Amino acid sequence: EDQVTQSPEALRLQEGESSSLNCSYTVSGLRGLFWYRQDPGKGPEFLFTLYSAGEEKEKERLKATLTKKESFLHITAPKPEDSATYLCAVQDTGGGNKLTFGTGTQLKVEL
Amino acid sequence: ETGVTQTPRHLVMGMTNKKSLKCEQHLGHNAMYWYKQSAKKPLELMFVYSLEERVENNSVPSRFSPECPNSSHLFLHLHTLQPEDSALYLCASSQEYREYEQYFGPGTRLTVT
Repeated sequence: EDQVTQSPEALRLQEGESSSLNCSYTVSGLRGLFWYRQDPGKGPEFLFTLYSAGEEKEKERLKATLTKKESFLHITAPKPEDSATYLCAVQDTGGGNKLTFGTGTQLKVEL
Repeated sequence: ETGVTQTPRHLVMGMTNKKSLKCEQHLGHNAMYWYKQSAKKPLELMFVYSLEERVENNSVPSRFSPECPNSSHLFLHLHTLQPEDSALYLCASSQEYREYEQYFGPGTRLTVT
């Protein structure tokens, strides 16, 4: 059974203080790893898909990386508007498009 | 309208009521999904439709009944729910069932009293 564990559960940063969120996963075969951002009371917003170890993707202050066991979401010089819950999900090669989600990291960036 | 829309955004219903949630996607996608999101728990996949055919049903109680009349619309019919069914219900779509990213709607916050 696929499993996704995200850490930390919650993270408080000062504006400009860079950090990383972790997503550890277990799958029989990885088809893709997805990062989403979710604001309170809203649906998840797609950020990145990573397909193979060593792959990296960037968007503004966010950079996602992937190894065979985990993914990191690096946040460089965060701003208050980056405050949200960040969700990680994996899709295995077993067929279908089922995503297994983690419980997320709640990020708060303060002035 | 763009993306994935859901109505209503908030719903309060009694345990004996019957109500329906509606989802519409404006992305030209062929697959649609219902998820349940409860506090402190991962998103749980409930149903998947591909080209209007149900392809996955993840052991969801029969008090939840999905309907997909065409590839742009998805409904979730609710009847005799329990208080533990209170949650955020999210609809998503993807270009194809076996491929590509899923795009989510804003959700319906359901409270069962």
